[in-house]
Amino acid sequence: DAKTTQPTSMDCAEGRAANLPCNHSTISGNEYVYWYRQIHSQGPQYIIHGLKNNETNEMASLIITEDRKSSTLILPHATLRDTAVYYCIARPGLYGGATNKLIFGTGTLLAVQP
Amino acid sequence: DVKVTQSSRYLVKRTGEKVFLECVQDMDHENMFWYRQDPGLGLRLIYFSYDVKMKEKGDIPEGYSVSREKKERFSLILESASTNQTSMYLCASSSLRNPLGQLMTSGWANVLTFGAGSRLTVL
Repeated sequence: DAKTTQPTSMDCAEGRAANLPCNHSTISGNEYVYWYRQIHSQGPQYIIHGLKNNETNEMASLIITEDRKSSTLILPHATLRDTAVYYCIARPGLYGGATNKLIFGTGTLLAVQP
Repeated sequence: DVKVTQSSRYLVKRTGEKVFLECVQDMDHENMFWYRQDPGLGLRLIYFSYDVKMKEKGDIPEGYSVSREKKERFSLILESASTNQTSMYLCASSSLRNPLGQLMTSGWANVLTFGAGSRLTVL
């Protein structure tokens, strides 16, 4: 898996967009970028993933640079409930078996301020 | 929504006790996983299963066993609990098929749905 680098912590004002960066300069062509988050004392929650194109779902948008060496997760209108640790993971997709050893690094602690 | 339910949110056990952690998912997912999470060590994979009665060791299987007799249920067993097994245990499931049974792109292989976790303390 490609190594990912994220800031340790970030603050965001409630109602504003939260932009969480991730560097993955050694990502290979078959590796997707995944974002998960973990609210305190809960299990991780999948947010979004992408390969090359920008992606959007009901939770967030994922912007991947053209060279795929970095990406940004955007929470368009952050709320207090978005306070969590956000993990960026680069990993190949696969069919068949299930050696899904997701490696969660230290992530970014996003603190949404009222 | 896919739900992964872990039977116990908090458990306190004594050293040497046999401990069962149960996990049930309700979306017919083929794959199920057990992780443990410890401060500074992140999530570590203990065991996973990609089919009924199938199991594969993860990174830290020592001291654990698993059982998958039914597709929806994946149990983690600590045969003789020890204090170094005090941890948060997380169950997860995944599938490469959508609710219609259609094969999705391979990127979905790493989309896991986690349970809320079971915090085990071994005294």
